[in-house]
Formats: sequence, structure tokens, C-alpha cells
Amino acid sequence: DVKVTQSSRYLVKRTGEKVFLECVQDMDHENMFWYRQDPGLGLRLIYFSYDVKMKEKGDIPEGYSVSREKKERFSLILESASTNQTSMYLCASRPGVHYGYTFGSGTRLTVV
Amino acid sequence: DQQVKQNSPSLSVQEGRISILNCDYTNSMFDYFLWYKKYPAEGPTFLISISSIKDKNEDGRFTVFLNKSAKHLSLHIVPSQPGDSAVYFCAASEATDSWGKLQFGAGTQVVVTP
Repeated sequence: DVKVTQSSRYLVKRTGEKVFLECVQDMDHENMFWYRQDPGLGLRLIYFSYDVKMKEKGDIPEGYSVSREKKERFSLILESASTNQTSMYLCASRPGVHYGYTFGSGTRLTVV
Repeated sequence: DQQVKQNSPSLSVQEGRISILNCDYTNSMFDYFLWYKKYPAEGPTFLISISSIKDKNEDGRFTVFLNKSAKHLSLHIVPSQPGDSAVYFCAASEATDSWGKLQFGAGTQVVVTP
């Protein structure tokens, strides 16, 4: 089974901190994604990567950046954390287009 | 503006009965639809999908129906079981999107009661 691992289950950070969320997949998937899940809004796409060192903005990229230096690892960076970035962050990967996603367990980030 | 809408935030159903979850979409270019199931403290897991060339897809207790003219799809779970209690997300991707990114609805919380 494909495994998508998010390094932290829970994080608490202070406003203004730089925050790194890490995601690793073990099945050589081409595409990786970062979503955030908020009540009443569902999952919204922040950034995605279709290959190593390649990245594309999703629907809500403001305040975030990403890094994909190796195929298996996709990092989400909050440059200067703000309270409105308190959310559940979900990483996903897939082999290619028109395949379903495999999600990690999520990171619940609280910014205080 | 959300292109995939799940207008019922919650659904309660008795064990053994049918659960019907609804999803509407506004983008006529969507051609591939999926349902995901999410338990608390876990990531969503793929449940079932349907391509726009079909109007029905069945997998065990789960059936998805697609009505393209109404831009509506539904997920039927028969019979419902306590383990089906979870949040269900509807998702869709667009034919013209070369990356096939998924747009998700807000989710429906299903509670199956004994």
C-alpha cells in the first residue's frame, strides 16, 4: 500500500514564525499536493507539484510556499504564520493524472 | 466560489437503511467524479469514482449515480453500517485541466445509529 507520511500530527506555532510541514510518500508518485481543510469549506488546494523541482499554485497559495527537491518529499512552508492559517493540512500524492489521491493523516496546525 | 457543493452538512441514518449523499457542481467541464471518506484524525480515503461517460458505478455496498444534465451526483450506501460513520467528500476534476486537479465539496458528516 502507498504510504503518505506527514511528519507532525499536531503543531502549535506563534504568529510570525516560519513553519515547515513535511510530507513523504514511498511509492514513487509523480504528483504531490497540499490541501487545507476547514469546516464548511472542505478541502482547498494550496500548491501542487507534478515532478521534482516543479510546482504550481493552487486556489489559495497566498502566505505559503513549497519545496520539492526530491521526488518523495514535498514541503509546505508558511513564511510568517498568521492566526488565519490555523487549519488541518493534508498532503496527498498520486501516480499521475486521473488517478485517485492517497492522503496523509494530516497535520493540525494552531497559530497563536 | 465553490464549484462542488454538498449542501447537507450532516446525515443521520439507521443501521441497515440506505444512506443517500448528494453533491451538485457548477462547472460543466468536470468529467471525473470521486467520493472520499474521512474518519477523524485520518486522511481521506478513496471510496468510488465515476467518469462522465457513465451514469452509474457500483462497488459492493456503494453506488454512485451521475446526472450530467442536472449537474448532480449522489452516493448510495446500502445497507448502512456503523463503520460508515464518517465525513464524505465529493470531488471532481475538469477535462481541460491537464493536471486533473481535484475540487472538493465541503463534506457531509454521516452518523449511522444502531
